[in-house]
Amino acid sequence: KQEVTQIPAALSVPEGENLVLNCSFTDSAIYNLQWFRQDPGKGLTSLLLIQSSQREQTSGRLNASLDKSSGRSTLYIAASQPGDSATYLCAVDALEGGSEKLVFGKGTKLTVNP
Amino acid sequence: EPEVTQTPSHQVTQMGQEVILRCVPISNHLYFYWYRQILGQKVEFLVSFYNNEISEKSEIFDDQFSVERPDGSNFTLKIRSTKLEDSAMYFCASSVSQGFQPQHFGDGTRLSIL
Repeated sequence: KQEVTQIPAALSVPEGENLVLNCSFTDSAIYNLQWFRQDPGKGLTSLLLIQSSQREQTSGRLNASLDKSSGRSTLYIAASQPGDSATYLCAVDALEGGSEKLVFGKGTKLTVNP
Repeated sequence: EPEVTQTPSHQVTQMGQEVILRCVPISNHLYFYWYRQILGQKVEFLVSFYNNEISEKSEIFDDQFSVERPDGSNFTLKIRSTKLEDSAMYFCASSVSQGFQPQHFGDGTRLSIL
């Protein structure tokens, strides 16, 4: 059964700092891996999707990497801003029974202090 | 940009009552999902739906739960006889294809069972 773990659970940084969020998963049989942002009381906003055959994806100040063989992904945020404060969720698109479903980590709560 | 919309945003129901949560997926999407997030816990997969039938369901999705696509635009989740432990945020998601495109999430319905 696929399990997703995110470290750290919470992170507080000063504005302008570069930071890395970590995600690990137990089963390498995945379609893809997605990073989401969740603001309090809100839905999930998809940030980046990395296909299982890819190593990384970039969008603006965000860069996500994937090492499928070791079951790891990182989300790198450059020059962090207070508006980046949110919970970041990692989810793997699990190949189980021929049907797609996302398996989520518990998230990293990021606070960027002005 | 097209969005997944969910109604209501908050539903308060007495234990034992039936509740229907509604979702309008993005119009050209073919795959539909329900997830839930109990306060402080991971987002969990409930069910996936394609071509007017359930593709996969989790252990959580027991006989009390059902899904329906009553017309060309709505996708509903019904809980027949609610329990206290059904209190959670319920998210609807949709995608245009499996595995290669991200799932897009709505803002969720907060279900409170009294």
